[in-house]
Amino acid sequence: QKEVEQNSGPLSVPEGAIASLNCTYSDRVSQSFFWYRQYSGKSPELIMSIYSNGDKEDGRFTAQLNKASQYVSLLIRDSQPSDSATYLCAVIMGSASKIIFGSGTRLSIRP
Amino acid sequence: DGGITQSPKYLFRKEGQNVTLSCEQNLNHDAMYWYRQDPGQGLRLIYYSQIVNDFQKGDIAEGYSVSREKKESFPLTVTSAQKNPTAFYLCASSISAHSYEQYFGPGTRLTVT
Repeated sequence: QKEVEQNSGPLSVPEGAIASLNCTYSDRVSQSFFWYRQYSGKSPELIMSIYSNGDKEDGRFTAQLNKASQYVSLLIRDSQPSDSATYLCAVIMGSASKIIFGSGTRLSIRP
Repeated sequence: DGGITQSPKYLFRKEGQNVTLSCEQNLNHDAMYWYRQDPGQGLRLIYYSQIVNDFQKGDIAEGYSVSREKKESFPLTVTSAQKNPTAFYLCASSISAHSYEQYFGPGTRLTVT
């Protein structure tokens, strides 16, 4: 089992709809979780961090964390073509105190 | 402008040559990291440094070397011992080793033929 798993996609969502991206992790004691956006050929950009169970909202983005089920998700409301990118989930593995990145989900917003 | 710079953006080398990738930050961050990204894959940690004059191996350090003589600089050397050096190399930094919000430079795309 991979330490951080994401569906590679592509996930195709119509413009204006909600895009839902999911990530599961293996280490039950993990405490810190991040979402990065990476446009093709560019470097990752941090868009959300979440540390507690529940939802965290920032503009059109909402991160959701469920430690009991070991998953973290990212919702993008009112999806725009500019949201088309690969989204990387990153988790601090509590037992090793190191950050592990998932392989990313490619999101495509269709007009 | 505060940020992380990497140079060059594209680098081409012949097999058997060592090559050094530059990474500079003016964010006053203590910790710096080097990652490698291959097509369709996530980021893999090569080396990291929590403080000046100290660095540790990541998951795929074989064939690479680093130095951290100055807080703002963390160059990576890809040696001829690295079997598959062609990749996208990313440098990142964070305020401290305990602050895991990492910020990335623009990357260097290395092609070795």
